[in-house]
Amino acid sequence: GQNIDQPTEMTATEGAIVQINCTYQTSGFNGLFWYQQHAGEAPTFLSYNVLDGLEEKGRFSSFLSRSKGYSYLLLKELQMKDSASYLCAVHGGSQGNLIFGKGTKLSVKP
Amino acid sequence: DAGVTQSPTHLIKTRGQHVTLRCSPISGHKSVSWYQQVLGQGPQFIFQYYEKEERGRGNFPDRFSARQFPNYSSELNVNALLLGDSALYLCASSSTGGSYSPLHFGNGTRLTVT
Repeated sequence: GQNIDQPTEMTATEGAIVQINCTYQTSGFNGLFWYQQHAGEAPTFLSYNVLDGLEEKGRFSSFLSRSKGYSYLLLKELQMKDSASYLCAVHGGSQGNLIFGKGTKLSVKP
Repeated sequence: DAGVTQSPTHLIKTRGQHVTLRCSPISGHKSVSWYQQVLGQGPQFIFQYYEKEERGRGNFPDRFSARQFPNYSSELNVNALLLGDSALYLCASSSTGGSYSPLHFGNGTRLTVT
């Protein structure tokens, strides 16, 4: 079956660092995406990993271990505007589609 | 540059009715995908089209259909609406539809079925 797990909710303090984990079991794997979704808005693309290792993009970094079926999104120097849901998605469906996790709702507090 | 545009933004329908949702991709993008997002869940794949051909279909009933036009815009049709069809319908475009090509989402159409 296809399964992507990520924590439902997380809380962190402004200026801190937070790590959002994602584990996956899919029939295929052609890459892992992280999206940010503010309430009532469209998901926006954050990062893409297809090889093992860390990809860094400003305050956001994403890590992938294909052997462990594991990824994380690291957010540094948290800002209030980072309060949003973070969606982990694997490109590996039988139709070549993205399979999304349920999302992690991050609340950043002052 | 304009992003992915969807219309209408909100829609209220009655059970048994049908609905047509529209999507215009980013200029130059040839692939359009449709996703359904129920509150508190991640998006679920419905369809993908590339160059006007259906490339993939998710686990949705035949009441759901879609098509892509020569200008790469797309329509999603849902017949015989059920209460459970109430959701945010997201359209996303990508340049090729390949695994390395990130999806760019529109703001969605929020459908409420009463």
